[in-house]
Amino acid sequence: GAVVSQHPSWVICKSGTSVKIECRSLDFQATTMFWYRQFPKQSLMLMATSNEGSKATYEQGVEKDKFLINHASLTLSTLTVTSAHPEDSSFYICSARVLIGMGGNTDTQYFGPGTRLTVL
Amino acid sequence: QKEVEQDPGPLSVPEGAIVSLNCTYSNSAFQYFMWYRQYSRKGPELLMYTYSSGNKEDGRFTAQVDKSSKYISLFIRDSQPSDSATYLCAMANYGGSQGNLIFGKGTKLSVKP
Repeated sequence: GAVVSQHPSWVICKSGTSVKIECRSLDFQATTMFWYRQFPKQSLMLMATSNEGSKATYEQGVEKDKFLINHASLTLSTLTVTSAHPEDSSFYICSARVLIGMGGNTDTQYFGPGTRLTVL
Repeated sequence: QKEVEQDPGPLSVPEGAIVSLNCTYSNSAFQYFMWYRQYSRKGPELLMYTYSSGNKEDGRFTAQVDKSSKYISLFIRDSQPSDSATYLCAMANYGGSQGNLIFGKGTKLSVKP
């Protein structure tokens, strides 16, 4: 299956600093990537949809000036948490959309391993 | 009513048991149905993928989609302790460029040796 990587897997930072998380599709090109956030024992919460070469689409309630998304190439999307605060501590997961076949009858997402952010 | 409903469990079974996990949904436009397995502190791993209705089998796993009842299932045969994880159902209607998945809350499964 398609492989998606994330870096770093774990980061601790001080309050007020910015943190960049990378999401890469390793063996395929992804025009669309997604960023999710997951709190303990909760399901995934979609934050934004990232399309290569265009601005990200943010879900309602997600601050686009705080969570900067850049999808500069077909294999890389980045999420930057700016001026991080303790309440931003969470598990951030990206996914890449995979479309196979005529008629789009295979259309799914492969997830990265996640990045655990702890803001002190 | 939420778009996707999934019993959060926890579900505890003995090793070797058959496990049945289910989700119901309300949006009849959903065409793509997926089951993901998520181990603690890891990203979700795609287990099964089904387009439209029907059954799909892969090893010990069988996914079923009943669009008339808006009900999907994942069966795990001969369950193993390594199957202990949270199982998330997900579905989508991928009209156009949107690729949003709608997730269930996940069912936590524990398989006891």
